[in-house]
Amino acid sequence: AQKVTQAQTEISVVEKEDVTLDCVYETRDTTYYLFWYKQPPSGELVFLIRRNSFDEQNEISGRYSWNFQKSTSSFNFTITASQVVDSAVYFCALSEAPGTASKLTFGTGTRLQVTL
Amino acid sequence: DGGITQSPKYLFRKEGQNVTLSCEQNLNHDAMYWYRQDPGQGLRLIYYSQIVNDFQKGDIAEGYSVSREKKESFPLTVTSAQKNPTAFYLCASSLRGGDGYTFGSGTRLTVV
Repeated sequence: AQKVTQAQTEISVVEKEDVTLDCVYETRDTTYYLFWYKQPPSGELVFLIRRNSFDEQNEISGRYSWNFQKSTSSFNFTITASQVVDSAVYFCALSEAPGTASKLTFGTGTRLQVTL
Repeated sequence: DGGITQSPKYLFRKEGQNVTLSCEQNLNHDAMYWYRQDPGQGLRLIYYSQIVNDFQKGDIAEGYSVSREKKESFPLTVTSAQKNPTAFYLCASSLRGGDGYTFGSGTRLTVV
């Protein structure tokens, strides 16, 4: 069975601080995908990144960066110089090997609060 | 613009009544999904469908039913058998498994 663990329930930082959101996953599949989603107060899930299990390169997109390490089954997300608009709930998710439909398994989410 | 439309945004029902949540997509995606979100529990899969007239139970299917008569539509019925129906419901679609999933804006169901 697949499992995603986001141990940090809630994080509070002051604007301009860097913050890292942790994600640890479990799967028996050799091929899988990892995702990060942002959920602002409006409720809609906003896609941030997808990483497949064969690509361990770290990725940077503006103030966002992701560190994927298969050896520790982790896919951590860092926001550099956080801003108030980053306040949201962030979900890490894992999908099984691709087929016509692949179920997403979500972590319980980390609520990030950025204050001035 | 392509996307997923969920309606209504807010829904109130009396206990014991069935209620149907709408989900429509114009992305030409094959797969569609329904997730339930409760506070502090993340999202859990209710049902998913790979093709028209076919659907599979997810992790928490009891008390729910779905249909997939058209590729674009995947309505979810919350039946009176669902013991705790009050939740936030999200519909999603994907072209293929593992591709990016597109989510709707959700329906918040409150049963009183």
